Amino acid sequence: DAGVIQSPRHEVTEMGQEVTLRCKPISGHDYLFWYRQTMMRGLELLIYFNNNVPIDDSGMPEDRFSAKMPNASFSTLKIQPSEPRDSAVYFCASRADTLNTEAFFGQGTRLTVV
Amino acid sequence: KNQVEQSPQSLIILEGKNCTLQCNYTVSPFSNLRWYKQDTGRGPVSLTIMTFSENTKSNGRYTATLDADTKQSSLHITASQLSDSASYICVVSGYTGGGNKLTFGTGTQLKVEL
Repeated sequence: DAGVIQSPRHEVTEMGQEVTLRCKPISGHDYLFWYRQTMMRGLELLIYFNNNVPIDDSGMPEDRFSAKMPNASFSTLKIQPSEPRDSAVYFCASRADTLNTEAFFGQGTRLTVV
Repeated sequence: KNQVEQSPQSLIILEGKNCTLQCNYTVSPFSNLRWYKQDTGRGPVSLTIMTFSENTKSNGRYTATLDADTKQSSLHITASQLSDSASYICVVSGYTGGGNKLTFGTGTQLKVEL
């Protein structure tokens, strides 16, 4: 398996534009997580899905952020409109449906909003 | 409030030396504690996962300990190598009514030098 695949690896966009980040989890994993990492705040969980259903989105910073998982092999995180303070590295992770198993992270998408 | 505090914030050691990183948490009720290693520009990679009943777990030169009574964990690195230079993140999972909730430490930045 190629692991968790995220695209793009880097994204630079202007303030106000829509940004869509993509994630392909490891095949067979039932949980998918979206994280944001900044120097100031470290890693933050934004939202996670179980069997394609959003379970906890309390970490989503505001209504400009939305996430979808239309099927077991694909998820998107959308920011509309983007702002400079959204600049961060966004990670997607997936894990199997067992409580104490590890989560595997993608390489991340480095987003810069100018 | 659930919190995870890591110390030191950063550390520089010589190659071949040992070091110990600390993680104190207030998450309750406790589910598990994970140590992740994150290389610069990469996603976090799981080193160990420990549940309430586990006191020690090793992964090669990495040994994690857990004292659930004092809510402390440590990550000991033996015979450090240049490739150990990374950020080490402690993540504690606690039960909530809606499932497990993750609380992240801000990490210890380790640099191993010649």
